[in-house]
This record gives sequence, structure tokens and C-alpha cells, in this order.
Amino acid sequence: QVQLQESGPGLVKPSETLSLICTVSGGSISTENYYWSWIRQPAGKELEWIGHIDARGRATYNPSLKSRVTLSLDTSKNEFSLKLTSVTATDTAVYYCARDEGTIFAVVPFAFDIWGQGTMVTVSS
Amino acid sequence: DIRMTQSPSSLSAFVGDRVTITCRASQNIARFLNWYQQKPGEAPKLLIYAASNLHSGVPSRFRGSASGTDFTLTISSLQPEDFATYYCQQSSNTPRTFGQGTRVEIK
Repeated sequence: QVQLQESGPGLVKPSETLSLICTVSGGSISTENYYWSWIRQPAGKELEWIGHIDARGRATYNPSLKSRVTLSLDTSKNEFSLKLTSVTATDTAVYYCARDEGTIFAVVPFAFDIWGQGTMVTVSS
Repeated sequence: DIRMTQSPSSLSAFVGDRVTITCRASQNIARFLNWYQQKPGEAPKLLIYAASNLHSGVPSRFRGSASGTDFTLTISSLQPEDFATYYCQQSSNTPRTFGQGTRVEIK
């Protein structure tokens, strides 16, 4: 059974870089057709998709964050990571990693069927 | 970006009530529409994928339907564990986008 677990600092100073890792267990991050996403949720607000990366390391970003976001894959550690630069208080949120399978032939196609538990990141000096 | 508009933003209902939540996409997304349930302090959980397919382990009282760019989540008989916030999400295009959520509260 595939599980995802986010990790990283819970407090980041304004203007610095937020860095999070999502560790995948119970399955390979290199499996074809899977997309590995980051999604965030400010307190009391809706979910915002940050971007995803596929098994080949090709990333797609939300245009609203594209200039500040980098996703990467480490197949040797079976994990993927998020870097968000120049953070401000508006980046304070719970950050989730999630998986979806990007093919219509999947058992559960194009839906976030597995999520991490989430990690709270606060931007404050 | 494709905008997803949910209604209502919140509702109050009794245990046993039939509850309907709607989600409208700003453009054609075919059936690339998913529904999630989120309880406080927890990650969202997938309920329905591809507009009307029940995810594994989800009770059959949850049902999804589609008509053009309008999508509906119906809970046939609300149970105590169903009080939560529900989100729709489109996977037709990137960026993936979510509705603003519908909070279902106890009456």
C-alpha cells in the first residue's frame, strides 16, 4: 500500500526558501504514468494545486506560482521535493503531497487517490 | 485557468437527510471531475472520480452525476461521519483547480 509522508521545517522566514520533501513508501516513484503533486491549503481556505512532476522528472507548475517553484525527483531515495522561493506570509499553509495516475487506463484515472497527512508551514520572522 | 464554482458554500442538515452539492466548471471538462471529503485536521479523501465512479471503500450512499459543465454530489442518507467539507476538483487541464468547498454541518 503506497503511503506519502511530508517533511520539512515548520517555520520559514519571509524572503527565504521553503523546502519540503515527500517520501513515498510501498511503491516506486519511478512508475510510469504517475504524477506526484504538491497542494497547499491556507487555514480555513480552499485547496491550491502547486504543481506536479512525473516519473521522468518533467514538472508542470501552477502559473500563479511558476516563477517561484521548483519540483524535483530523487529516485534513489524514492522521494520528491518542493522549493518555493521568496516566501511571504501568504505562503503560510498546510502543504500536502499527493499522487494521481495520468492515464485513462488507470484504475483511478486523473484523481488524487493518495495523500500525505500534510505539514503546516508558517512564514514569519 | 478553469474555475470551479460550488454551491452552496455551507449547509445544515439532519442525520438521514438527502444532501446535494453542485459544482459548475467554467468550461467543458468532459467527465474529468473528482469529489473529495475533508474533515478538520485531516487530508482530503477521494470519494468520486471521473464524475460518477465511487472510489474503493466509499459507502454507496455517495453518488456523483454530471450534466454538461454541471456536476452533482449526492449523499442519499446523511450519516454522523459525513459532516465535513466537500470539494470538487477538475483534472481536465493544468493547473488542476478545486472548488471553494461546501461545509456540511449538523442541524
